[in-house]
Amino acid sequence: EAEVAQSPRYKITEKSQAVAFWCDPISGHATLYWYRQILGQGPELLVQFQDESVVDDSQLPKDRFSAERLKGVDSTLKIQPAELGDSAMYLCASSFAGTSGSMGQFFGPGTRLTVL
Amino acid sequence: KQEVTQIPAALSVPEGENLVLNCSFTDSAIYNLQWFRQDPGKGLTSLLLIQSSQREQTSGRLNASLDKSSGRSTLYIAASQPGDSATYLCAVLPQGGSEKLVFGKGTKLTVNP
Repeated sequence: EAEVAQSPRYKITEKSQAVAFWCDPISGHATLYWYRQILGQGPELLVQFQDESVVDDSQLPKDRFSAERLKGVDSTLKIQPAELGDSAMYLCASSFAGTSGSMGQFFGPGTRLTVL
Repeated sequence: KQEVTQIPAALSVPEGENLVLNCSFTDSAIYNLQWFRQDPGKGLTSLLLIQSSQREQTSGRLNASLDKSSGRSTLYIAASQPGDSATYLCAVLPQGGSEKLVFGKGTKLTVNP
């Protein structure tokens, strides 16, 4: 069964360091999302791509976060410099670009980030 | 602004019991509603997707209903098992704007053997 792949699964870093997360969506899914989930909360969208273009990055802290999807397939989310408050689960999801949301969104296993 | 609320925040039941998880949302202008399961430290597994034109969806021991006009959805789990223990998240896809799911905070379910 097709799945969204993410790496690494866990990342521990010190504040002020740079970190990067990678996501490979389900084959054929043109829409890719990065969500952040704080413990005990629901996920919140950071950035949405349609192919290689950013559709929504209104909640992305652009002073320290960046995201790219250069070839419209896999994607990288970067944080530089990391802060203590960035400790969270970072989830990648993908969906088929058809009638809005008709197929639902499918999530990867996530990257658990701990900033010390 | 769409808001999603899940009640209760936590639920503990004995094995074999039937149970209902509740989800409410403030704006009925949605494309669909999705129920997810999340195990500790893991990603989200999609359980059921209900389109705005549908009233319910079923998968095995799970049944989800949607009443868009009242802004409510329920997830019914029949004959609960210890393996059902997890956090269950409800999310709606609002109409208009980007395809951004709006999530509730989840209900943490514990099924005791």
